[in-house]
Formats: sequence, structure tokens, C-alpha cells
Amino acid sequence: DGGITQSPKYLFRKEGQNVTLSCEQNLNHDAMYWYRQDPGQGLRLIYYSQIVNDFQKGDIAEGYSVSREKKESFPLTVTSAQKNPTAFYLCASSTGFNQPQHFGDGTRLSIL
Amino acid sequence: GESVGLHLPTLSVQEGDNSIINCAYSNSASDYFIWYKQESGKGPQFIIDIRSNMDKRQGQRVTVLLNKTVKHLSLQIAATQPGDSAVYFCAERGYSTLTFGKGTMLLVSP
Repeated sequence: DGGITQSPKYLFRKEGQNVTLSCEQNLNHDAMYWYRQDPGQGLRLIYYSQIVNDFQKGDIAEGYSVSREKKESFPLTVTSAQKNPTAFYLCASSTGFNQPQHFGDGTRLSIL
Repeated sequence: GESVGLHLPTLSVQEGDNSIINCAYSNSASDYFIWYKQESGKGPQFIIDIRSNMDKRQGQRVTVLLNKTVKHLSLQIAATQPGDSAVYFCAERGYSTLTFGKGTMLLVSP
């Protein structure tokens, strides 16, 4: 079945550590996105990519980095510069930029 | 659903009732709107969409109404079932990326 796979489902980070969240899609979508979801808030865009080897900052990119070396993959690194990383992270993809987005089931990141 | 639902407006209904969930959007230039459903511990699922040149669209047990005059969107769920319990939020497409609302938690009692 086609879909978006995020891994791991739960992730723990120590102070000063970088961690990478995986997002893979087999929908042949050009655009991919990373969102952060906090309790009681709407989804906030971290980074997006409209095409391979290109990505743009979203509204809250500070402390995060991404790469888009393959169409299928859009990993997100949460760096030690992100002072409040505890959140639910959602990856999405769409056929084209700003088309309906399909979401993965998220990764919950917590600080040890 | 888990901590996602904390501090959200909540709508509680009985099984079999019709539910109406509302969303106020911000950008009068938005041309496309989507409703998503998010269950506990999962990612959002697409429910239904509507373009700004329409004021109503129906799906299976769901209807979306768009009132551009007051920038209001609503999702109607007919004969609500316990499996409909989730957080529902709208998204609008304006000048750049999609903007998502904070959501409403729907609780359905048997």
C-alpha cells in the first residue's frame, strides 16, 4: 500500500544531542513537509520541499535542519540549538506544492 | 487524542446525533479548504475539501459548508458514531503554504 512512514514512533533526546527523524513516502509525491504539533495548537510548518534537492524554511525552522537527496525521503534533524524540542512531529507529502497533504503517523520526541 | 487534544474546544454528542464543527479562517484570498480528522496517536487524515467557488460539498456522511462573507467553514457529520471521536481541524490555502486551525475535539458517547 502507498503511504508515508515515519520512524521511530517515540524518540528520546538527551541534552545537547542531535536526533534525526525519518520520513519515507512511496506515493511518488514531489512535495514533502515537516510540521510540529503542540497541545492545543495548530500544526506549525518547520520546513518544506517542493522538489528533490530543494527545500525552504517554514515558520519555525530555527534549531532544525533537513535534506532532500531522494524524492522518497525527507529526514528532519532536531539539533541541540532547538531549546524546546518536546513535541509531536508530523511529516506530510503532496502531489504538488499546496495540494492536499497526506500525513504519516508522527514521531513523539521527548527530552530525557 | 493524547496530549494533542488538551485545551481544545470540545463537542460532546450522543451516538446517532448529527455533529457540526466550525472553523473561522483568516485569509479572504484563500481559495481552497480542507477538513482533517486526527485520532489519538495518529497523523491527520483527509476527510473532505472544498474550493472557494463552491458553498457546499457532500461526501459520505459528511458535508462541508463555506460562507465566504463571514470567512466561516463548517463540517457536518450525520449519524455520528463512536468511531468519529477525534480532533477535527480545517486548513486553508492562501498566499503560500496551508494554514491549519487549532482543531475541535469531538467526543461521541454510545
